Amino acid sequence: AQKITQTQPGMFVQEKEAVTLDCTYDTSDQSYGLFWYKQPSSGEMIFLIYQGSYDEQNATEGRYSLNFQKARKSANLVISASQLGDSAMYFCAMREAITQGGSEKLVFGKGTKLTVNP
Amino acid sequence: DTGVSQNPRHKITKRGQNVTFRCDPISEHNRLYWYRQTLGQGPEFLTYFQNEAQLEKSRLLSDRFSAERPKGSFSTLEIQRTEQGDSAMYLCASSLGGRTGKRNSPLHFGNGTRLTVT
Repeated sequence: AQKITQTQPGMFVQEKEAVTLDCTYDTSDQSYGLFWYKQPSSGEMIFLIYQGSYDEQNATEGRYSLNFQKARKSANLVISASQLGDSAMYFCAMREAITQGGSEKLVFGKGTKLTVNP
Repeated sequence: DTGVSQNPRHKITKRGQNVTFRCDPISEHNRLYWYRQTLGQGPEFLTYFQNEAQLEKSRLLSDRFSAERPKGSFSTLEIQRTEQGDSAMYLCASSLGGRTGKRNSPLHFGNGTRLTVT
């Protein structure tokens, strides 16, 4: 079963509008972390925002915020006031808790391609 | 800004040849990861090191693949007897982890090495 599901292969948004990119995850752990990365066409992976499973408030970083719904196991990224430079692939990733034999790796979804139209 | 550095940026090789990639992490980071990314997919975990110890290897890492981090600083990823299916972007990332780092430490990625096997 996929750990991270991003159901939107592509999304379009008008410049200056807000957009939500969906991410659902699957884990039986109570302690985990969720990350969003941006990958422009140049290829580098850029860390955007982090949400811990025990964080009571939704994470925010500038124009990026996370709509974290723990019961639904969703961690949607909201980009406000979209800019042309936001056009890129966006990946959701999860790090599960370290249990006996647990792992520190990030598991990534397949990504959503965001296009910002002028 | 001394980020994660990967060399070479591009590598074209003929099937059956061996290739080696190098990754220099952020200097204070104790964890180093290798991922592989194919077109239209998210990064797939290959292996990671904490200092010089290789703590986890994915089943994707066949016996033709070997990674080392001999002094706990830079790392090399070698692919022997390359196959066309090995063509991908190979991403290296580093982070602070374990006792020396926070659980929410993001991975910082390099620009990757694009391998083309002809």
